[in-house]
This record gives sequence, C-alpha cells and structure tokens, in this order.
Amino acid sequence: KNQVEQSPQSLIILEGKNCTLQCNYTVSPFSNLRWYKQDTGRGPVSLTIMTFSENTKSNGRYTATLDADTKQSSLHITASQLSDSASYICVVISGSGGYQKVTFGTGTKLQVIP
Amino acid sequence: GAVVSQHPSWVICKSGTSVKIECRSLDFQATTMFWYRQFPKQSLMLMATSNEGSKATYEQGVEKDKFLINHASLTLSTLTVTSAHPEDSSFYICSARDMDSNQPQHFGDGTRLSIL
Repeated sequence: KNQVEQSPQSLIILEGKNCTLQCNYTVSPFSNLRWYKQDTGRGPVSLTIMTFSENTKSNGRYTATLDADTKQSSLHITASQLSDSASYICVVISGSGGYQKVTFGTGTKLQVIP
Repeated sequence: GAVVSQHPSWVICKSGTSVKIECRSLDFQATTMFWYRQFPKQSLMLMATSNEGSKATYEQGVEKDKFLINHASLTLSTLTVTSAHPEDSSFYICSARDMDSNQPQHFGDGTRLSIL
C-alpha cells in the first residue's frame, strides 16, 4: 500500500531558528516528490519538486533533500520567520501521464513563535 | 505563476440545499482537475479526478450522485454537493494541472462548506 508518513506531527520553534521536517514513503513506482506549504484555510502552495535523480533542491530558505534508496525526504527551513507557520505536506507522485497516483502525507504543523 | 481560482471561499447553508463550487485555471489550460476534501487536522483526501470533456473518475467511497462534477472547458470545473447534510461540512479544495503532467498541481484556496 502506498503510504507517505511525516514527522513530527507538529513542531514549535522560535523565530530565527532552523528546523527539519521528515518524510518517509513507500510509494512505488516513484515519479517525483513534492513539498507543499498550506496556510490555515488556504490551498497548498508548491515549494519544491524532486525527481529520482535529484538529491537536493532549494527554494529560498527552504531546502529539500531526497534519498531515493531509503525512500526518505526532508525539508529544511533556515532562519524561520513567523510567516513560516503553516502545515507542510509531503506529496509523492507515482506513475506517469494519465496514470499518475498522488499520495499525500499527513503533514507537519509548524508554528514559529517570536 | 499559475493561478487557480476557487469560488466561493465560504458557504453556509441549510441542510438539503445543493451547493456548487467553481474551480478555474486563470492562466493555463487544465486538462485535468482534481477535487479534494480536507477535514480538520487531516490531510487532503482525493475525491475525484476530472478530465475535460469526459466523465470524472471517483475515488472509492465517494458517491458520484452526491458529488456531481462537470469539467466542460479547459479552464473550469465545478463540484456540486447535492442535498447537502451536516456531515458534508468540510473544506473542499480543487487543483488543476496543465498539459505537462510533470508540472505540479496548482491548488485553489479552498471552499469552506458549513451545512446547518
């Protein structure tokens, strides 16, 4: 069964600190992995997309890593800001074209406090 | 960047009412649109996949006669919750994908549906 598990479930950090969110998946066949940020009451917004051959990808203060062998990904947030408070969702895509299957993780709820 | 507009953002209505939610891709053609449901503190759950000009594909357990989906054009899909009941209260989110399936889905801002 395709599954995407994220940890921790929730996290509180001080403004300016760094944090790392984890994503483990059992999805197969793997196509790509995406991290989304979802503010409360809003739709998810894409942060990064990583394919099988990519190990690291950055988007500003967000850096995602992917280890396709161990089926793990992480999202590192540097110098956190209050606006980073949101849920971060790991999404794994399997298959291709019209036969894509999207599996969502349960998300990590991040709260950045002053 | 790509924008998906969802309307309305919040609906409160009486039990038994039918509610229509619109999802529009504003600056790209979406051959495929997705409808999700999200309960508090839970992840998105795919309800159905909508391809332009054809019938939607519903996930297991989702009643197609209850949740009517129409994808009549490359920029518009609608979800109609028929005869809504309080248990249908949820956050409904659409997403759209353009013809390049390697691009990410672009999500709307969701519709909060409250049935009294």
